[in-house]
Amino acid sequence: AAGVIQSPRHLIKEKRETATLKCYPIPRHDTVYWYQQGPGQDPQFLISFYEKMQSDKGSIPDRFSAQQFSDYHSELNMSSLELGDSALYFCASSFELGTTSATDTQYFGPGTRLTVL
Amino acid sequence: SQQGEEDPQALSIQEGENATMNCSYKTSINNLQWYRQNSGRGLVHLILIRSNEREKHSGRLRVTLDTSKKSSSLLITASRAADTASYFCAAPLRETSGSRLTFGEGTQLTVNP
Repeated sequence: AAGVIQSPRHLIKEKRETATLKCYPIPRHDTVYWYQQGPGQDPQFLISFYEKMQSDKGSIPDRFSAQQFSDYHSELNMSSLELGDSALYFCASSFELGTTSATDTQYFGPGTRLTVL
Repeated sequence: SQQGEEDPQALSIQEGENATMNCSYKTSINNLQWYRQNSGRGLVHLILIRSNEREKHSGRLRVTLDTSKKSSSLLITASRAADTASYFCAAPLRETSGSRLTFGEGTQLTVNP
């Protein structure tokens, strides 16, 4: 079965540079979520999109922005990178049409490991 | 504050033994999910249990949910060395669909051969 695809898998940037992370959700999934996981920490929610509209926003720095495109893929743009942005960034997708509880599972991609030097 | 909290933080057992991990959460939920993560890798969805369910099985996994105590447990039976990983519970922040997940701190399980 198709899974969530993230690219790149690894990214190394210098401080103050920009980075773009991409996420391709499972086909027919309409909701995309972004999470950040620092070393030894649990994943923290950043932002989510439902049907290409921002649906929820968490602790995402103003330096970060994201969007979901017409083909449902999403991109997380990170500017003025700081050392503390080094983390695993996960994208997850789910199918949320209606309120059918069977769609609540979020499927995670393999993550992008961002290292800021 | 965390929606989910887990204990123990670390668990070391021998192959063949059972492993039990516990999770507590704060708000009303419509489901609770368990994930597994190998070191530095992606999160793999293990099982979802709904608020109207008390117990659910999937292979060697058994999950219980006690909504009155706002707690859940994950039992892995007949553990294998390959089960070594971090296990996270995750609960939706809101009862509506499409809600962000808030994760517990995770339990690091080590299964010794």
